[in-house]
Amino acid sequence: QKEVEQNSGPLSVPEGAIASLNCTYSDRGSQSFFWYRQYSGKSPELIMSIYSNGDKEDGRFTAQLNKASQYVSLLIRDSQPSDSATYLCAVNSYTGTASKLTFGTGTRLQVTL
Amino acid sequence: EPEVTQTPSHQVTQMGQEVILRCVPISNHLYFYWYRQILGQKVEFLVSFYNNEISEKSEIFDDQFSVERPDGSNFTLKIRSTKLEDSAMYFCASNRDRANSPLHFGNGTRLTVT
Repeated sequence: QKEVEQNSGPLSVPEGAIASLNCTYSDRGSQSFFWYRQYSGKSPELIMSIYSNGDKEDGRFTAQLNKASQYVSLLIRDSQPSDSATYLCAVNSYTGTASKLTFGTGTRLQVTL
Repeated sequence: EPEVTQTPSHQVTQMGQEVILRCVPISNHLYFYWYRQILGQKVEFLVSFYNNEISEKSEIFDDQFSVERPDGSNFTLKIRSTKLEDSAMYFCASNRDRANSPLHFGNGTRLTVT
């Protein structure tokens, strides 16, 4: 059973601070990793994708991947109230002829004023 | 930016009735998916579809479920005889290739079975 684990939170950070979200996964064969943001009642929205070890930065977001430790993280700099949402870690495994994302339960982030 | 579109946004049905959820994937995408999310739970894979056939399905996707691409644009999920536990948000997704391209999700259909 492929698992993706996240702390459900809530993670509360003050406006302007750095939010750090973490994720571990069980399938060592996984090759691509995604962070999605989900507002309550809405669909997952792609924030970041990362495929190789190290850091990947996009604006205020930085994704970090360590395949040896089976660990993915997302840093959000200068957190804004609009960043308050649930952040889903998703791990991709290729099976048959299509992708298959396994999602974590998500970490709820609250950015306080 | 191209989007995955889903209709209806909300569907209410009685237990035992058939429902069809509709999706229009992004036009140059080749792989199509259905996921569902029961309220308060994680997003779960249901089925993947490529080249007009199912690539993989989960244990959830039993004989009550079927998918179809009836024309060049639509992708549908049919639930033949709905149960109370089918109440969930159903998300359609698509991507260009099976390898690294991210999945793009539609806005979802909230299915309520009474």
